[in-house]
Amino acid sequence: ETGVTQTPRHLVMGMTNKKSLKCEQHLGHNAMYWYKQSAKKPLELMFVYNFKEQTENNSVPSRFSPECPNSSHLFLHLHTLQPEDSALYLCASSQERQGVGEQYFGPGTRLTVT
Amino acid sequence: GENVEQHPSTLSVQEGDSAVIKCTYSDSASNYFPWYKQELGKGPQLIIDIRSNVGEKKDQRIAVTLNKTAKHFSLHITETQPEDSAVYFCAASDSGGGADGLTFGKGTHLIIQP
Repeated sequence: ETGVTQTPRHLVMGMTNKKSLKCEQHLGHNAMYWYKQSAKKPLELMFVYNFKEQTENNSVPSRFSPECPNSSHLFLHLHTLQPEDSALYLCASSQERQGVGEQYFGPGTRLTVT
Repeated sequence: GENVEQHPSTLSVQEGDSAVIKCTYSDSASNYFPWYKQELGKGPQLIIDIRSNVGEKKDQRIAVTLNKTAKHFSLHITETQPEDSAVYFCAASDSGGGADGLTFGKGTHLIIQP
């Protein structure tokens, strides 16, 4: 493991459900990210938090709602999702938002929307 | 914005042979180029990176080359082994690897044939 954990690892939910994905990093980093990984497509950056403040929102639909209560924890709240939202959701962290380089990824949550 | 193209999408090589994966980028301001390896059921892990002030970097059997003029960079794996089988992603950044700079390629599925 890379020091970034994600729960749950697998999630199946209906379109009317509300669920949350959790990410925790044990690396003392200050920046955390949510990515969406779909088959045959590049990783898509969804949200960025730097020192607990959201700094990026790459036109993500409002049915995805992030929360960062502290620099070690990141949540992604899900509601009224669509089948096309089925994907692997990856959390990552880095020392800072700018200029350091390496992002450490968690194992991901495999989400299936039925 | 940045656009990263990665080829091939699938690469099959005999164990012991070399493998080369190529990426091109569009933004001449990009200055950081990491390569990630993703094994089944895991998140991407950084294996090597290069910054725009060098043309080549090696780490044991792995090397990365960068041609800034042509805006392309490549991953070279020599003496391939079965454990090298994975999906490899290239990325480019204009902020040293910070969150809003990492644009990923679509990935290359590397298969090592015994």
